[in-house]
Amino acid sequence: DAGVIQSPRHEVTEMGQEVTLRCKPISGHNSLFWYRQTMMRGLELLIYFNNNVPIDDSGMPEDRFSAKMPNASFSTLKIQPSEPRDSAVYFCASSVQGVLAKNIQYFGAGTRLSVL
Amino acid sequence: QKEVEQDPGPLSVPEGAIVSLNCTYSNSAFQYFMWYRQYSRKGPELLMYTYSSGNKEDGRFTAQVDKSSKYISLFIRDSQPSDSATYLCAMIPPSGGGADGLTFGKGTHLIIQP
Repeated sequence: DAGVIQSPRHEVTEMGQEVTLRCKPISGHNSLFWYRQTMMRGLELLIYFNNNVPIDDSGMPEDRFSAKMPNASFSTLKIQPSEPRDSAVYFCASSVQGVLAKNIQYFGAGTRLSVL
Repeated sequence: QKEVEQDPGPLSVPEGAIVSLNCTYSNSAFQYFMWYRQYSRKGPELLMYTYSSGNKEDGRFTAQVDKSSKYISLFIRDSQPSDSATYLCAMIPPSGGGADGLTFGKGTHLIIQP
């Protein structure tokens, strides 16, 4: 199993530019989560999807952030326009619904974003 | 007050020592408790998963949950240098059948000295 795959691993951009982060969940998983990790705030949930449908986006910091999941094997997190305070590591995680597997989330390696 | 509090450390102990990592939480709705381990520049990986109060053991690792005190612990016996990592507690309330996002502590940075 390839695990959760995120791309790019590193992204350096200038303030005001659009940034798109990508995630491929584990095959067969039907829940997908986007988290952001910073030294100050730790790991924070941004948004999650069940069966490709956004369930809770209350963690998305501003309207500059948007996320989509057009199909079961792909999701994007977009920041437009980007700002220096968006610099962080962004993680994607996936899980499968089911009594025994409930809430066990598997994380990708993350995308380290630097906005200059 | 944050929902989950965790001492960020760093916690430095000699190889072979018993390590105790802890989290407190304020939301009594949390029912599922997890410990994730995160190596530098990697994603978190699930280490332990518990549901009820009490102890759960897996090899050198023991997870303990005390719901009455809203306190969870992870014990590592015979600690090894390879255990050096950041340990994050995570928790979640019961859901209606779908998966929900985790609430994490900020993580404790653990260093095992050879």
